[in-house]
Amino acid sequence: DIQLTQSPSTLSASVGDGVTITCRASHNITNWLAWYQQKPGKAPKLLIYKASSLQSGVPSRFSGSGSGTDFTLTISSLQPGDFATYYCQQYNNFAGTFGQGTKVDIK
Amino acid sequence: EVQLVQSGAEVKKPGESLKISCQGSGFSFSSYWIGWVRQMPGRGLEWVGIVYPGDSDSRYSPSFQGQVTISADKSISTAYLQWSSLKASDTGIYYCARHYGGAFDYWGQGSVVTVSS
Repeated sequence: DIQLTQSPSTLSASVGDGVTITCRASHNITNWLAWYQQKPGKAPKLLIYKASSLQSGVPSRFSGSGSGTDFTLTISSLQPGDFATYYCQQYNNFAGTFGQGTKVDIK
Repeated sequence: EVQLVQSGAEVKKPGESLKISCQGSGFSFSSYWIGWVRQMPGRGLEWVGIVYPGDSDSRYSPSFQGQVTISADKSISTAYLQWSSLKASDTGIYYCARHYGGAFDYWGQGSVVTVSS
């Protein structure tokens, strides 16, 4: 299995702040990495695929970068609807794994 | 509009069997991998496996291999996740989702499975 480690586990921030979440893979996954947002009681929502491609309809304040084993999700200016849990997910050789999640809450 | 509609909540006893479903519409169901993701109560997301309805090829996470069976019936645009003998640790929400470009781009609403004696 390829393991994904996200950091931090929890992040406290204010509306308007810029935040960065990191995801490290245990092996090289080139750019097969996605980011999701999940709010309580809801299904996850795809934000970024192939490390840096913005999913249709997702605001441009979300961006992804990285390749190989180190990846980041950046939210340039937090909005009230962005307080949620974020997960990275890798896909390699017909199998995938998720990171453990990063909860972004209000400071 | 792409939609994935899942079957309803289930309450089962340990040792019982179960098959939950996920019906797709608004896209060519046979041409996309469909996956399943588990979320145990208060926990994170876990990648279960995927199936290609076009030829019923299925792939599993090593953690779920042998524990569940994923299948599909392309004639009714429906994917399935089944258990032959449920355990309490199978309790959780199971999401189906369309798999494209290494990611899950459209998600079902989730099926709650509760296993309790």
